[in-house]
Amino acid sequence: ETGVTQTPRHLVMGMTNKKSLKCEQHLGHNAMYWYKQSAKKPLELMFVYNFKEQTENNSVPSRFSPECPNSSHLFLHLHTLQPEDSALYLCASSLGTSVRNNEQFFGPGTRLTVL
Amino acid sequence: AQSVTQPDIHITVSEGASLELRCNYSYGATPYLFWYVQSPGQGLQLLLKYFSGDTLVQGIKGFEAEFKRSQSSFNLRKPSVHWSDAAEYFCAVGTLSSGTYKYIFGTGTRLKVLA
Repeated sequence: ETGVTQTPRHLVMGMTNKKSLKCEQHLGHNAMYWYKQSAKKPLELMFVYNFKEQTENNSVPSRFSPECPNSSHLFLHLHTLQPEDSALYLCASSLGTSVRNNEQFFGPGTRLTVL
Repeated sequence: AQSVTQPDIHITVSEGASLELRCNYSYGATPYLFWYVQSPGQGLQLLLKYFSGDTLVQGIKGFEAEFKRSQSSFNLRKPSVHWSDAAEYFCAVGTLSSGTYKYIFGTGTRLKVLA
């Protein structure tokens, strides 16, 4: 595997379910990101991790719970979601979070549908 | 507040025609600017970036962009469009906030290419 991978690619869940999204990067990067992409809206940054430490939580509801066990893996745990949470969730990674090493590489995304 | 505006939601061009996608940004300091492309079912791929120096930036796939500070613009251009260029294009500005470097994305421009 190369680049940034995300699993599953598609997920349908009920509002009472608990599920997790997984992201893995094979680039030797230290920073990882979760974004939400909804139709007709700009990409919304949700969380940033740098060297496994969360450095950004963009006022994301607590029903989204990120986990970063190491610099290569990032999870997004989901519980009691709402239909408006249906979106494409993109993971990205970068070498770092400073100006010169922040070029972000994106995974293909997980298309989430909440019924 | 920092923002990115892509005024064209959809653009249709004929194959072989020239292309210009518009991007305007609002940012108080020196901007770091990016163009990404997203093909259906894929993540975002970096086309080009501007940090400093020459205001005309060359990217992959024959794309270029010109930074115009006086107009707060970073328009993407291609002299001759190929059918495979049909995708969604996102402009982004890099901003430093609370010690973390983050991207702010525009809402995207969807490009359709006619044979």
